[in-house]
Amino acid sequence: SYVLTQPPSVSVAPGQTATIPCEGNNIGGKSVHWYQQKSGQAPVEVIFADTVRPSGIPDRFSGSNYVSSATLTISRVEAGDEADYYCQVWDTTSDHWVFGGGTKLTVL
Amino acid sequence: QVHLVESGGGVVQPGRPLRLSCSVSAFTFDTFAMHWVRQAPGKGLEWVAFISHDGTNTKYADSVKDRCTISRDISKNTLYLQMNDLTPDDTAVYYCVKSRAGDSFDSWGQGTLVTFSS
Repeated sequence: SYVLTQPPSVSVAPGQTATIPCEGNNIGGKSVHWYQQKSGQAPVEVIFADTVRPSGIPDRFSGSNYVSSATLTISRVEAGDEADYYCQVWDTTSDHWVFGGGTKLTVL
Repeated sequence: QVHLVESGGGVVQPGRPLRLSCSVSAFTFDTFAMHWVRQAPGKGLEWVAFISHDGTNTKYADSVKDRCTISRDISKNTLYLQMNDLTPDDTAVYYCVKSRAGDSFDSWGQGTLVTFSS
């Protein structure tokens, strides 16, 4: 089955830029989506189709996807961005939806 | 504003089935595919099941295949997940999720907790 790999944790100071990678075999050929989950809350979609921000998501959130790695970038990080972030794709081979293991973003 | 409200969770004993429900509102229910996604305590997200907009196509994660059935009642604007033969590994918060036209999840319910108890 298709595997998405994320680092368990990323730390960044307020005002700096956080980058969260998501690696998978030929992930550049897939459409990657990202979700933010704050403590005790349901996930929220922050990026879909590699680069698109849903309505209401700040433009500080952006996404990219190249060949073997997709990336969620959060610019001008705020304390309120502290959360777990998950990448996700639909695997055409297995016809299953797959999540990465999640990355805990800590704002120092 | 899309609204998804799950119910039916609780403590489940061995051999007892469980049916989760998800009442939806504020969108045309028979236009969008739906999913169930779960999250074990302290763990990541796991996709569980998919149902097409008209209910004719379903898919399941290997971990629940043959034990779960996803269904939808358009007349009641309700999504269901029937679960059988539960094990401790099924203990999780179960989220009802609306599919974006594509393959992402654009709206999530608040979840319902299912706890297996021996």
